[in-house]
Amino acid sequence: EVQLVESGGGLVQPGRSLKLSCAASGFTFSNYYMAWVRQAPKKGLEWVATISTSGSRTYYPDSVKGRFTISRDNAKSSLYLQMNSLKSEDTATYYCARHFSNIGTTPFAYWGQGTLVTVSS
Amino acid sequence: DIQMTQSPASLSASLGETVSIECLASEGISNDLAWYQQKSGKSPQLLIYAASRLQDGVPSRFSGSGSGTRYSLKISGMQPEDEADYFCQQSYKYPLTFGSGTKLEIK
Repeated sequence: EVQLVESGGGLVQPGRSLKLSCAASGFTFSNYYMAWVRQAPKKGLEWVATISTSGSRTYYPDSVKGRFTISRDNAKSSLYLQMNSLKSEDTATYYCARHFSNIGTTPFAYWGQGTLVTVSS
Repeated sequence: DIQMTQSPASLSASLGETVSIECLASEGISNDLAWYQQKSGKSPQLLIYAASRLQDGVPSRFSGSGSGTRYSLKISGMQPEDEADYFCQQSYKYPLTFGSGTKLEIK
């Protein structure tokens, strides 16, 4: 059974940093592109970042480019999201998601339960 | 960026009723369209991919269709457990984008 378990969320002040983690199990982690998707309270879904199987390629929307960094450790079956210069509009539940295959332009086949990040002074 | 316009924003249906949700892409996306279901307080679940392919374990009352820029999700025979939010998403190119969602409730 595929499992994705996020951790690291919490309350953080604007301008500060936070690092999220995702522990994956139930599949060969190194074979799949991975992603982060967020959802602001009572709002829709927004793709945040995608990383290739080896970690050599990363993709971001303009809203987080230059502030967020996605990374992975295939030996530990773990995914990370380093978030810097946080803004109030980054407040959201952050989901770790597995892409459908070893291609980034595919749907999100599996999702974690999410971790809440609140950016507020 | 590809904009995904989803309609309606909300929908109320009786048990057993057939419902449809539409998604319009701002440019052609070659059937790279997925549908997700999100129940209250839960994470999204993939229902349909490649516009019309049913994800493993998804009931056959769910179906997807469309091409080019227009896509739809149909639920043939509304069930109590289908009450949820539904989102479309294009995976044709980056940035990956979602529709704004449809809230489906039981009448």
